[in-house]
Amino acid sequence: AQSVAQPEDQVNVAEGNPLTVKCTYSVSGNPYLFWYVQYPNRGLQFLLKYITGDNLVKGSYGFEAEFNKSQTSFHLKKPSALVSDSALYFCAVRDMTGANNLFFGTGTRLTVIP
Amino acid sequence: NAGVMQNPRHLVRRRGQEARLRCSPMKGHSHVYWYRQLPEEGLKFMVYLQKENIIDESGMPKERFSAEFPKEGPSILRIQQVVRGDSAAYFCASSPDREPYEQYFGPGTRLTVT
Repeated sequence: AQSVAQPEDQVNVAEGNPLTVKCTYSVSGNPYLFWYVQYPNRGLQFLLKYITGDNLVKGSYGFEAEFNKSQTSFHLKKPSALVSDSALYFCAVRDMTGANNLFFGTGTRLTVIP
Repeated sequence: NAGVMQNPRHLVRRRGQEARLRCSPMKGHSHVYWYRQLPEEGLKFMVYLQKENIIDESGMPKERFSAEFPKEGPSILRIQQVVRGDSAAYFCASSPDREPYEQYFGPGTRLTVT
């Protein structure tokens, strides 16, 4: 069975500092991995995905994620955090049993401190 | 190209009433997914539909819940005889045929059962 884990419920970072939001996954076969962001009372916005190719994936709003097969991780990163990055971040993996639904992690709340 | 549309955005129902949630996918998207989000939790997959077909309903409760995606019109998630535990945010996502796993989310319907 596939799953994702986000080990940190909360991440605080000072504005201008680099940020990392962690995600590890468990799948059989090659994973399809995604990051989404959710602002208060809003739906999820797609940030980036890894399907195949380069391990470093660039996405929206200056975010990037690094796929590490040996560590089964897909951490989200940004070189310089903005206050407006404060939101709830979800890592997800595609259901590999044939359906296309996503399994989501429990989310990490990022707070960027001015 | 308008995004995924959901209505209503907020829905209040008394226990025992029926709730109908509507989702119009993005233009050109034929795959629709419904997810439920409880407060401070990640999204949980409920059902995956294509036009006139339910592909995977493994995440949907066996009783009181049903979903459809007719040939014409929006997808409908129907909850009969609602209970307080049904209070949650319900999100719809759609994806295109060429990349069915790349999902775009609507703003959600927040259901409150009183």
